[in-house]
Amino acid sequence: DTAVSQTPKYLVTQMGNDKSIKCEQNLGHDTMYWYKQDSKKFLKIMFSYNNKELIINETVPNRFSPKSPDKAHLNLHINSLELGDSAVYFCASSRGGNGYTFGSGTRLTVV
Amino acid sequence: DQQVKQNSPSLSVQEGRISILNCDYTNSMFDYFLWYKKYPAEGPTFLISISSIKDKNEDGRFTVFLNKSAKHLSLHIVPSQPGDSAVYFCAASSANDMRFGAGTRLTVKP
Repeated sequence: DTAVSQTPKYLVTQMGNDKSIKCEQNLGHDTMYWYKQDSKKFLKIMFSYNNKELIINETVPNRFSPKSPDKAHLNLHINSLELGDSAVYFCASSRGGNGYTFGSGTRLTVV
Repeated sequence: DQQVKQNSPSLSVQEGRISILNCDYTNSMFDYFLWYKKYPAEGPTFLISISSIKDKNEDGRFTVFLNKSAKHLSLHIVPSQPGDSAVYFCAASSANDMRFGAGTRLTVKP
């Protein structure tokens, strides 16, 4: 019974396309996050949502937009994909900063 | 299917003593292992890593040990300091996959 699930696990797409990555958590957590993992395995936080309110928005391009239809979902939309967007993206969730749980990642490849 | 497990949700040690955080994995395809440290209200930050071709990697007060036959790795912090108090996540990766453990909350008491 997956706690934080991301779909798809792999995504290969062409430059200029618009794509979405979905994230769902069944833990009853109140905060969800998106991270981008760089080539050195460092995790860079992109967004976090708490009760549908964006509370962290790092300096990411506005081509990236989080969408949260409800507390259990935080989807990541990316417009006009660029080669540099190729990375592994991780979703995570927590309850008040505790019980931090990661998804298994989505490997995005832009060609 | 939890492929990476941190069976101790919390650990408390005295300042100056050694902290040992443990992590077990099940997938033999994992060939690179990482530890991340997370303070409250912040995202995880990379701490130290080890490749499967090694059994030890040391960086200052932090040492990671890998036992491939047991599919076990551990993070040693010595001497422990109050500023080390945080949640530590173990992660394991292969070419196409990366999984995180559930984290261990370390408290270092002065």
